[in-house]
Amino acid sequence: NAGVTQTPKFQVLKTGQSMTLQCAQDMNHEYMSWYRQDPGMGLRLIHYSVGAGITDQGEVPNGYNVSRSTTEDFPLRLLSAAPSQTSVYFCASSFNTGGADTQYFGPGTRLTVL
Amino acid sequence: AQSVTQPDIHITVSEGASLELRCNYSYGATPYLFWYVQSPGQGLQLLLKYFSGDTLVQGIKGFEAEFKRSQSSFNLRKPSVHWSDAAEYFCAVGAEEYGNKLVFGAGTILRVKS
Repeated sequence: NAGVTQTPKFQVLKTGQSMTLQCAQDMNHEYMSWYRQDPGMGLRLIHYSVGAGITDQGEVPNGYNVSRSTTEDFPLRLLSAAPSQTSVYFCASSFNTGGADTQYFGPGTRLTVL
Repeated sequence: AQSVTQPDIHITVSEGASLELRCNYSYGATPYLFWYVQSPGQGLQLLLKYFSGDTLVQGIKGFEAEFKRSQSSFNLRKPSVHWSDAAEYFCAVGAEEYGNKLVFGAGTILRVKS
């Protein structure tokens, strides 16, 4: 099992550009989520999904879109990048809902917006 | 709203010394409690978790944590720290009344001196 994979590992964008962060898992987990990690703030939930076709907002959803067409994939889209979105992004998955089960994290994507 | 507090941003301990990392949370009911560790440049890995039962839980790498309901705390301990334990440690809490979404503390950076 590859677990949770994320691409790219690093990305630099200019303000206003759009991009998609990819996330895939091969553990047949129903629950997937996206977090951003900023110094001194821990991880904050952006969006999550409890299964294919079902997504919902987390704590900091503004500026991000998600979709879940398959169990395996959960891409995160930045619509118009802003410097405030400079962060490290982690995708995670679990068999059960996020707060009641072990989360498996990907290696992260380090995004810089200039 | 739910919150998770890790009062210590940085902690430095000598190799072989004991370690205690503090975590306090604000919830109405019994939460699901987790400790994750993040090595530099890596994703997060589960150390241990508490859902119910014995309030002293054992985890990987010789770590343990104790749930104290009266103090709303879930402190992480290790009797003898190794240089490889240097990392950032996150306490995280989930609860059914908050949709089972996971909320993270800000993290504690552990430095180990030889």
